[in-house]
Amino acid sequence: DTEVTQTPKHLVMGMTNKKSLKCEQHMGHRAMYWYKQKAKKPPELMFVYSYEKLSINESVPSRFSPECPNSSLLNLHLHALQPEDSALYLCASSQEGLARFSEQFFGPGTRLTVL
Amino acid sequence: QQQVKQSPQSLIVQKGGISIINCAYENTAFDYFPWYQQFPGKGPALLIAIRPDVSEKKEGRFTISFNKSAKQFSLHIMDSQPGDSATYFCAASPMDSNYQLIWGAGTKLIIKP
Repeated sequence: DTEVTQTPKHLVMGMTNKKSLKCEQHMGHRAMYWYKQKAKKPPELMFVYSYEKLSINESVPSRFSPECPNSSLLNLHLHALQPEDSALYLCASSQEGLARFSEQFFGPGTRLTVL
Repeated sequence: QQQVKQSPQSLIVQKGGISIINCAYENTAFDYFPWYQQFPGKGPALLIAIRPDVSEKKEGRFTISFNKSAKQFSLHIMDSQPGDSATYFCAASPMDSNYQLIWGAGTKLIIKP
């Protein structure tokens, strides 16, 4: 299984809502990522988890809260978002420890719209 | 400043032709250069990658050419097909990070039948 799955595919939420994005992989990867991608732009790294511990937080606003319950799952909790947070949210995973830089496998993303 | 400059922004190529996308960087502290392909509604997928100790890498119709002295690398797609129509991103990984990629702005490639 070389797939990263993400749910939901689409999400529309109001600025006062609380929602969560979910990501799952069964490749045995121990690094997992959240990226944000605006239309016609490259992905922007938000968070990296390594062995279920937060390794990188790219100065992301606290209205985005990541969680890594186990080595296969990654969540992104959303609260009090702004319309400018509307974007494609991508999850990725990679192996740890085998090479200086390991290929990142991306999921299909969740298309988020904040009204 | 860490930056990767990608050109052109968009490219139209006839079926069977050669598609060429170029990237340039300034920071010499990069040591891994991947190319990603992204179809609409999908996440990016690694197409091919190169490390600076080689000048060229070929996988099927896709070739990366790497010029270390000029700090440039390019993607060549031979015999371009309509199914190659996608957005292509070059990227570079800093030596001091196992996770971070500095991305180019992307090139939207359209292959005309």
